[in-house]
Amino acid sequence: QKEVEQDPGPLSVPEGAIVSLNCTYSNSAFQYFMWYRQYSRKGPELLMYTYSSGNKEDGRFTAQVDKSSKYISLFIRDSQPSDSATYLCAMSVGDSSYKLIFGSGTRLLVRP
Amino acid sequence: GAGVSQSPRYKVAKRGQDVALRCDPISGHVSLFWYQQALGQGPEFLTYFQNEAQLDKSGLPSDRFFAERPEGSVSTLKIQRTQQEDSAVYLCASSFKTGRGGGYTFGSGTRLTVV
Repeated sequence: QKEVEQDPGPLSVPEGAIVSLNCTYSNSAFQYFMWYRQYSRKGPELLMYTYSSGNKEDGRFTAQVDKSSKYISLFIRDSQPSDSATYLCAMSVGDSSYKLIFGSGTRLLVRP
Repeated sequence: GAGVSQSPRYKVAKRGQDVALRCDPISGHVSLFWYQQALGQGPEFLTYFQNEAQLDKSGLPSDRFFAERPEGSVSTLKIQRTQQEDSAVYLCASSFKTGRGGGYTFGSGTRLTVV
């Protein structure tokens, strides 16, 4: 079993929909949680960064961390075709926090 | 430059050939990382440099993999005697922070195909 599990999708939604992307994890020592967006043939781009539990909002994006359930989410409001990409969750522990453990990514398609 | 630059973008190697992949991090970024991303998977950590010091190489799959950053700027990932299972995208990332997790800027990667 992988440390970080993520549904590969693809997830197809109409433009304007609210998108929910999720990851579960097994290591309770994870403290830093990130969401990256990766377009085809490009490197991952950091979208959201949170430390420990709670919510964080940035524009159309909201990240949630529930450490008690070992579950993190990314919500995208008013989704756009330009949001079509693969979304990767990543996390790390405190004492080696530079080493990111990634999920396998969820492919999102937003239909015009 | 404005971002992390990697070269070449694509590399085809015959099995058994040695390859060298280059990473130019963002100027002034202290930390540099190499990750390996297999098709349909998330990136996996290979190694971490802080300036010229290689602080963690625990993710390198075998002793055929070697990374260096001699002057604390440009880094090279070398793979000796390439094998088919080495086929992947090799991503370089950099950060101005030392040690703290996340917030990295990734390059577009080098796609290595071993035939």
